[in-house]
Amino acid sequence: GENVEQHPSTLSVQEGDSAVIKCTYSDSASNYFPWYKQELGKGPQLIIDIRSNVGEKKDQRIAVTLNKTAKHFSLHITETQPEDSAVYFCAAARSNTGNQFYFGTGTSLTVIP
Amino acid sequence: KAGVTQTPRYLIKTRGQQVTLSCSPISGHRSVSWYQQTPGQGLQFLFEYFSETQRNKGNFPGRFSGRQFSNSRSEMNVSTLELGDSALYLCASYDGGSMNTEAFFGQGTRLTVV
Repeated sequence: GENVEQHPSTLSVQEGDSAVIKCTYSDSASNYFPWYKQELGKGPQLIIDIRSNVGEKKDQRIAVTLNKTAKHFSLHITETQPEDSAVYFCAAARSNTGNQFYFGTGTSLTVIP
Repeated sequence: KAGVTQTPRYLIKTRGQQVTLSCSPISGHRSVSWYQQTPGQGLQFLFEYFSETQRNKGNFPGRFSGRQFSNSRSEMNVSTLELGDSALYLCASYDGGSMNTEAFFGQGTRLTVV
């Protein structure tokens, strides 16, 4: 089955700096890569996703890049704000196996004011 | 539009007991998945239901089971509880039968086994 690894497990940045979280996956058939943000006491919430036919996607301060050859994808958050502090999860899925997501183990991001 | 509702929010059970958790998906969503979240393992897929049929199953023992009703509400059951079953159980709701679309998560049910 698919194995998703995520690094780092914890990340602290100063407000206004950028944060980068990296994930690798093992199954070359995976073609959907969402990123979720989980705040304390809440369920994960989708912040951005990318499909394998695209190399990069951006939404305001958040961007995701995908390297299919190397089987890794990254989340980039620019101009970080205290409200970005949360746990971030990457995930991978195949389009032909329903909605079965394989998640990374999460990155706890702290933005220091 | 109401979000995904999971009940109860918190549960304390004794080893050996069984438990049933409930999930009401977003109106119109026909696919529901269940995940177990623990500090060490992250989110692990349990199973997915679509139109009352199990479409996918993760690598969990047979003590974990689920079902989906005609109104798309889903339940998961864990029998013969073990201490290691203590976790946050999350339900995710998906729009229609589309593959790889946004998962809308509920707040989860925190299960503690003592």
